[in-house]
This record gives sequence, C-alpha cells and structure tokens, in this order.
Amino acid sequence: EVQLVQSGGGLVQPGGSLRLSCSASGFTFKAHSMHWVRQAPGKGLEYVSSIRSNGEFTFSADSVKGRFTISRDNSNDTLYLQMNSLRLEDTAVYYCVRGAGRDSTIAPFDPWGQGTLVTVSS
Amino acid sequence: DTQMTQSPSTLSASVGDKVTITCRASQIVGTWLAWYQQKPGRAPKLLIYKASTLKSGVPSRFSGSGSGTEFTLTISSLQPDDFATYYCQHYNSFPWTFGQGTKVQIK
Repeated sequence: EVQLVQSGGGLVQPGGSLRLSCSASGFTFKAHSMHWVRQAPGKGLEYVSSIRSNGEFTFSADSVKGRFTISRDNSNDTLYLQMNSLRLEDTAVYYCVRGAGRDSTIAPFDPWGQGTLVTVSS
Repeated sequence: DTQMTQSPSTLSASVGDKVTITCRASQIVGTWLAWYQQKPGRAPKLLIYKASTLKSGVPSRFSGSGSGTEFTLTISSLQPDDFATYYCQHYNSFPWTFGQGTKVQIK
C-alpha cells in the first residue's frame, strides 16, 4: 500500500523555522516527483513546492520562494520542507503529495499524506 | 501563472441529482487537468486526471470532460457520499494551481 506519513508540524513564532518530513513507503520513492500543498484554515488548496525524482530540479510558489526549501533523501525515502522566516499567513495544514506518474513530472497528485498543521503565532 | 476559476463556488443538490462543475483556465493547459474530492478534516483524493480519465476505483457516476481552457466535472446521480468540496488543478506548467473549490452541499 502506498503511504505518506508526515511529521514535524506545530506552533512557531513569526520569524521562526520549522522542518516538515514525509516518510514514503509502498512505492519506488526515487522514481516519483514529490510536492507540498497547503490549506489555510477554511480556505482552498494552495500549491507550495515541487521536486523532481532525482532532486535536481525544484520549484516553489512565489509566496514561499526564498523562505521555504524542498528537498528529498532518496536513500531514506523521505521528503522534507524546510520553512524559514515564517509568517502569520503561513498558518495552514501542509500536505505531502506524490506525483502519480513514475519517471514523469507531468502527473497529477496522488496520493496525499495525512496533513500536518503548522501554526504561526506569537 | 495559470489561474483556475471554478463555478459555482457552492452548489446545493439532492441525492439522485445530476451535478456539473465548471473549471476555466486562464491559459491553455491541454488536457493536463485533474479533479480532486475533499471531505472535512480529510486529505484530498484524486478522482480524474488527464481531464477525463477516471482513477481506478472511483465510481463511474463521476466523469470529466474538456480540453484547452474549459473543463467540467459531472456527477451523474449524486450519492450521500458525494457531498464534499471539489477542486480542479492544472499540471501543465509550474506552478500547478488549483481552482478555489466547489462545495456540494445537501439541498
């Protein structure tokens, strides 16, 4: 069974840092692009960041560019999101997502992790 | 960036109704369009990809159509389990943006 198990959320003060982790199992992790999507309380889905299967290409939304860094460890089947200079508006549930296509970046998101809440507040 | 606009934002319907949700892209995205279903407190689930391909295991009452900039999600006969929020998403080019969502609620 394909599984994405997330960890690392919590409460952080504005300007602080947090690292999210996503442990993958049930599929060949190194063959799939991976992504992060977030959802602010009561709001819709917002694309955050992507990383290709070999980790050599990353892309981030303008809203997080320069503050968030996506990375992966293909030897340990784990995806990361390092979040620095956190702002109040970064408060959201963050989802780890797999790109459904093997060896392809152009693929829908499937499946999604369980989500982890990040709260930025003083 | 390609903007995705869904309509309506909220839809009230009854069990057995046919429901149609529209998604418009601000630029041509071909058929690189997916639909997701999300229930409260749960992660989204993929329903349809490549505009019209049903993910394995998704009930056949769901269907998708369209290409270019205009897409639709249709539920042929709404079931109690279908009351949820639906999102479209293009995956044509970065960033892969989502529509604002359509909440399907009980009439």
